[in-house]
Amino acid sequence: AQSVTQLDSQVPVFEEAPVELRCNYSSSVSVYLFWYVQYPNQGLQLLLKYLSGSTLVKGINGFEAEFNKSQTSFHLRKPSVHISDTAEYFCAVSEVDTGRRALTFGSGTRLQVQP
Amino acid sequence: NAGVTQTPKFQVLKTGQSMTLQCAQDMNHNSMYWYRQDPGMGLRLIYYSASEGTTDKGEVPNGYNVSRLNKREFSLRLESAAPSQTSVYFCASSEVSEQFFGPGTRLTVL
Repeated sequence: AQSVTQLDSQVPVFEEAPVELRCNYSSSVSVYLFWYVQYPNQGLQLLLKYLSGSTLVKGINGFEAEFNKSQTSFHLRKPSVHISDTAEYFCAVSEVDTGRRALTFGSGTRLQVQP
Repeated sequence: NAGVTQTPKFQVLKTGQSMTLQCAQDMNHNSMYWYRQDPGMGLRLIYYSASEGTTDKGEVPNGYNVSRLNKREFSLRLESAAPSQTSVYFCASSEVSEQFFGPGTRLTVL
């Protein structure tokens, strides 16, 4: 079984400032890692994913994340945020070897970008 | 391509009523999922279907049933709705490593 912990429920930040959203996971098997974004009253959209290879993953809208196996973390970063980045962000994992592709989600981080 | 579609978008039920949430995908994916989203808890898996004809329980299956009608459609049924089932329900489908989500159904049980 896996679990995902998003350490911050809310992150307020000023426009054009950098931001990091933290995610740690626990699993007894190898996992794939994902970040999803949810804009108000909408479904979830994939920002980026780590399957294998380079531990630095680039996604849409200027976001990137780094997989750190020793610290079991997958933190999301953006060097300069915009008002339009205001949304809720979810970190998620799925098992690699079992073929069970259902996602286990963290509780979410609400990013509030202020002018 | 419409992707993943869900009906209805909104629903209000009284305790004890039944209803079925519909989900369809046009991406020819084998796997489909139902999640519920509650404030502060992220999304939790209710049921999933790895392929047509198979279904398995997720983390929170109690009070729900599912039907994988064919490869495209995966429905979620509440036989006797309870206020604890007030939530936003998301359907998703996947082939390899990425899940695609529908727009959600906002359900209120009074």
